[in-house]
Amino acid sequence: QLYLQESGPGLVKPSETLSLTCAVSGGSISSSSYYWAWIRQPPGTGLEWIGNIYHSGSTYYNPSLKSRVTISVVTSKNQFSLNLSSVTAADTAVYYCATRGYSSRYNYFDYWGQGALVTVPS
Amino acid sequence: QTVVTQEPSFSVSPGGTVTLTCGLSSGSVSTSHYPSWYQKTPGQAPRTLIYNTDTRSSGVPDRFSGSILGNKAALTITGTQADDESDYYCVLYMGSGISVFGGGTKLTVL
Repeated sequence: QLYLQESGPGLVKPSETLSLTCAVSGGSISSSSYYWAWIRQPPGTGLEWIGNIYHSGSTYYNPSLKSRVTISVVTSKNQFSLNLSSVTAADTAVYYCATRGYSSRYNYFDYWGQGALVTVPS
Repeated sequence: QTVVTQEPSFSVSPGGTVTLTCGLSSGSVSTSHYPSWYQKTPGQAPRTLIYNTDTRSSGVPDRFSGSILGNKAALTITGTQADDESDYYCVLYMGSGISVFGGGTKLTVL
């Protein structure tokens, strides 16, 4: 059983960089079984996949966000992080970290954090 | 960019059966998209219901089932209960590491 917990500032100024961390417990960030993912939900709208990272450092990003997103793994701390640059009010959302299975059969988001609300004032 | 389509809203009576669908703006959904389904209630993290088209996640009652119907993925809920009232999202894998969420269906039980 994996446990994921997001942390980071709840308020980010426009044009600055949003930074969140997801701490993983109950398993290793170096596991070959998972991709580590970020997903968000703006207020009143649907879920949006942001991107995934594998422990090797391979990353996959939503094309609509790719120019502003960086996801990285910090193996020594068993955590992974999200950086989203040049934020605007449209980036206000609850941000979730999650796992996605590595193999085709487990190609889905399984374990989820509780979510972290990040507000970018207009 | 390909859009994943879902009904914006659906209503069902308690005890009834409802089928929510997940399609593509261009083309057909197949098992190669590894359709998965999630239940989302306000203030809670999403709950995984179905993965790999038709496999129930651990602890999910067998009232929930997944399938391919025609050119879409489908989530069927039988014996609908009041606490099934939620938003439901599908996810399709588009290849090259990219996953796309549908816009979600708001299910009302009344």
